[in-house]
Amino acid sequence: NAGVTQTPKFQVLKTGQSMTLQCAQDMNHNSMYWYRQDPGMGLRLIYYSASEGTTDKGEVPNGYNVSRLNKREFSLRLESAAPSQTSVYFCASNNPFPSSGNTIYFGEGSWLTVV
Amino acid sequence: AQKVTQAQTEISVVEKEDVTLDCVYETRDTTYYLFWYKQPPSGELVFLIRRNSFDEQNEISGRYSWNFQKSTSSFNFTITASQVVDSAVYFCALSESAVGTASKLTFGTGTRLQVTL
Repeated sequence: NAGVTQTPKFQVLKTGQSMTLQCAQDMNHNSMYWYRQDPGMGLRLIYYSASEGTTDKGEVPNGYNVSRLNKREFSLRLESAAPSQTSVYFCASNNPFPSSGNTIYFGEGSWLTVV
Repeated sequence: AQKVTQAQTEISVVEKEDVTLDCVYETRDTTYYLFWYKQPPSGELVFLIRRNSFDEQNEISGRYSWNFQKSTSSFNFTITASQVVDSAVYFCALSESAVGTASKLTFGTGTRLQVTL
């Protein structure tokens, strides 16, 4: 009954350090997403992967890279962390076929602080 | 471009009061999907409801009900007889529709609901 699993849940980084957020889903979903949540701004899409082997930029991709490792896993990498990347990060997944409106399920979030 | 507006930043009610959370959306698509998610203090996002643009029927689920009106581009959420456990941030979201493509959600900024005894 895992659904979408993210690691780590909490992380403190120094400016300039790199790190990777891991995400895995066990629902056999084709599409996966990374969002960030900042106070007063709701959630904004960073990157997404419509299907295994594809990735695309979302609304706020600068400073991030992603890898769709296989159908289950979708990682988000911060190459050189900046204080502006302090946020809560959510991974999500769904099966959009036959339409893109199918329900998206979210992980529990990863709290990242860059000092 | 899509946009979702939740004008109510915070709402405080006393337990057992009814409360309505407003959501207004903008989209050029004729087919789209609307969602409500709940984010309790623990931080996870809990799916509440999905509605497609062709289905304007109101929906009731226990103490929760949703009023979708395309004429006013609104998808409002009402909690009847609120309880302390309803305290959370509630997000309205909009997804474009296209066969086989990813579901890129556009979120509103959320409404924080505080229910007190």
